[in-house]
Amino acid sequence: GAVVSQHPSWVICKSGTSVKIECRSLDFQATTMFWYRQFPKQSLMLMATSNEGSKATYEQGVEKDKFLINHASLTLSTLTVTSAHPEDSSFYICSATGNPNTEAFFGQGTRLTVV
Amino acid sequence: GQNIDQPTEMTATEGAIVQINCTYQTSGFNGLFWYQQHAGEAPTFLSYNVLDGLEEKGRFSSFLSRSKGYSYLLLKELQMKDSASYLCAVAAGNKLTFGGGTRVLVKP
Repeated sequence: GAVVSQHPSWVICKSGTSVKIECRSLDFQATTMFWYRQFPKQSLMLMATSNEGSKATYEQGVEKDKFLINHASLTLSTLTVTSAHPEDSSFYICSATGNPNTEAFFGQGTRLTVV
Repeated sequence: GQNIDQPTEMTATEGAIVQINCTYQTSGFNGLFWYQQHAGEAPTFLSYNVLDGLEEKGRFSSFLSRSKGYSYLLLKELQMKDSASYLCAVAAGNKLTFGGGTRVLVKP
């Protein structure tokens, strides 16, 4: 299958700081990337869908000013958690697809801990 | 929006068969995926159904009925390593939305 690389795999930051997470498709062009958040023992909650070159579509209840998503190229999307707080601590996972009707490939996930 | 339901937990014995059901309500259906996820790891792809019927892939099979908004994942000859969460995900429009996941515990 195709490879999606997510970086960093884990990060600890101080409350009030911002954290950027990168998601790269290594061997295919990702027209669409999805960002998910997963709390312990829960399923993946879709935060936003981003298409290359356009603004991300956020799910209801997700603050677009807090979770900044940029999808500037067909191989890279970034999620920036701004002014992070302890309640933002979670597992963040990206997935990418070149075609909405085919398998979405997942990054390794980023475990964010805000202290 | 989408409504995707699957049981929270299931327990089965090594060597047995377990069936995980998933029901959904959506518009613009483009297919249904099953993923396996071990704790702390990203999901891994198991199957994709877009037409009605059964897709068999080794020990895992997945079934879809679009008219009933229903799918199941069948795990045969269970092994201890199959203990994981199994996620049903529905593709609709340009979006992939996950159900709550089913934690399967395989006991010796």
